[in-house]
Amino acid sequence: DAGVTQSPTHLIKTRGQQVTLRCSPKSGHDTVSWYQQALGQGPQFIFQYYEEEERQRGNFPDRFSGHQFPNYSSELNVNALLLGDSALYLCASSRTAANYGYTFGSGTRLTVV
Amino acid sequence: TQLLEQSPQFLSIQEGENLTVYCNSSSVFSSLQWYRQEPGEGPVLLVTVVTGGEVKKLKRLTFQFGDARKDSSLHITAAQPGDTGLYLCAGAPAGNNRKLIWGLGTSLAVNP
Repeated sequence: DAGVTQSPTHLIKTRGQQVTLRCSPKSGHDTVSWYQQALGQGPQFIFQYYEEEERQRGNFPDRFSGHQFPNYSSELNVNALLLGDSALYLCASSRTAANYGYTFGSGTRLTVV
Repeated sequence: TQLLEQSPQFLSIQEGENLTVYCNSSSVFSSLQWYRQEPGEGPVLLVTVVTGGEVKKLKRLTFQFGDARKDSSLHITAAQPGDTGLYLCAGAPAGNNRKLIWGLGTSLAVNP
């Protein structure tokens, strides 16, 4: 049973560029959440997708956008990259309610230079 | 604003020692989850507690949910170097169990 798959694993982009990160959720999960994590800190919630719609959003600017496809996979897009966007981006999938816990992917390490 | 205060933030102990990590809030949670994360990897779910006063054990790890479902603790007995990592607690707020509120994490180092 495959867990959460994220791609790519590492990425280097130049300031001002745009990036797309991809996530395939665990089988049986219909909800995808995206997090940004700085080194040594807890994850910061970006947004959550369910039924192809953004259901909740954290305190991130509109440069961060996403999409969920009918097969529940999801993309995170970041426009006009800033140096401060360098972080580990984590995708987590779950059933509709968070009570059951999240399954995380290994993340995408984004470096903006 | 719902907060989950996790303490201590950093912990460095010797192999064989015991330790306890705390997560506290003024908010009620329908569930509280504990995760462990290693460098370069995503967090891995260790346990979910849902009932006030619930205690769960996972080998040398003991998890407890407060009676009022506002706090939780993680106790590790006879810590080993393999326990080293970032421990995160996360709560699903009562009334909105579709999102998680995260603690800032406890970075644990167990020295041989």
